Amino acid sequence: QQQVKQSPQSLIVQKGGISIINCAYENTAFDYFPWYQQFPGKGPALLIAIRPDVSEKKEGRFTISFNKSAKQFSLHIMDSQPGDSATYFCATRFYFGNEKLTFGTGTRLTIIP
Amino acid sequence: DTAVSQTPKYLVTQMGNDKSIKCEQNLGHDTMYWYKQDSKKFLKIMFSYNNKELIINETVPNRFSPKSPDKAHLNLHINSLELGDSAVYFCASSRGGALNEQFFGPGTRLTVL
Repeated sequence: QQQVKQSPQSLIVQKGGISIINCAYENTAFDYFPWYQQFPGKGPALLIAIRPDVSEKKEGRFTISFNKSAKQFSLHIMDSQPGDSATYFCATRFYFGNEKLTFGTGTRLTIIP
Repeated sequence: DTAVSQTPKYLVTQMGNDKSIKCEQNLGHDTMYWYKQDSKKFLKIMFSYNNKELIINETVPNRFSPKSPDKAHLNLHINSLELGDSAVYFCASSRGGALNEQFFGPGTRLTVL
């Protein structure tokens, strides 16, 4: 059962452009929405995360926008750089004592010069 | 300083064999996880231990058996390996609580021939 739908599957952006990745979830009991970044041959690493009581969180060039009523959240990468080329995963946490993360299907981002 | 380490990094074996993957974290975290990432990069949780106690056990064949000798170690033993077990297996750990950042290991690429 896919509880987190992520799009697009792949994305090519020009250097300096804005990269946008979207996720949609179904369960309103989710209470934590992180984004993970994974480089080839490496494990995923937390990039930025948001709680549902705020609509936006910004850290450097990375911003999460959160729309609770639409049950959607997105990652915006401003001034995208070749070093941002990686696979990005959104995730949700259904907190009922086990802190389980459910990941989206991933977006392969390529930044071209 | 390696936070979450896994051994081996690569594992190539024949169908029907039994193999183990080891994981250690030096972050002092109470919770550890095993994830499977398939060829399409889909990341799915398999197990989670908190202070050596199993708290998440997803729908995983019982050929997979996790073992946590102490809270810094979580090993994964796989019996009677099948072709479909070929994947990258990631260990992760977290402190738990509200923010639940999970720190991932470098992964073990398992290839079953």
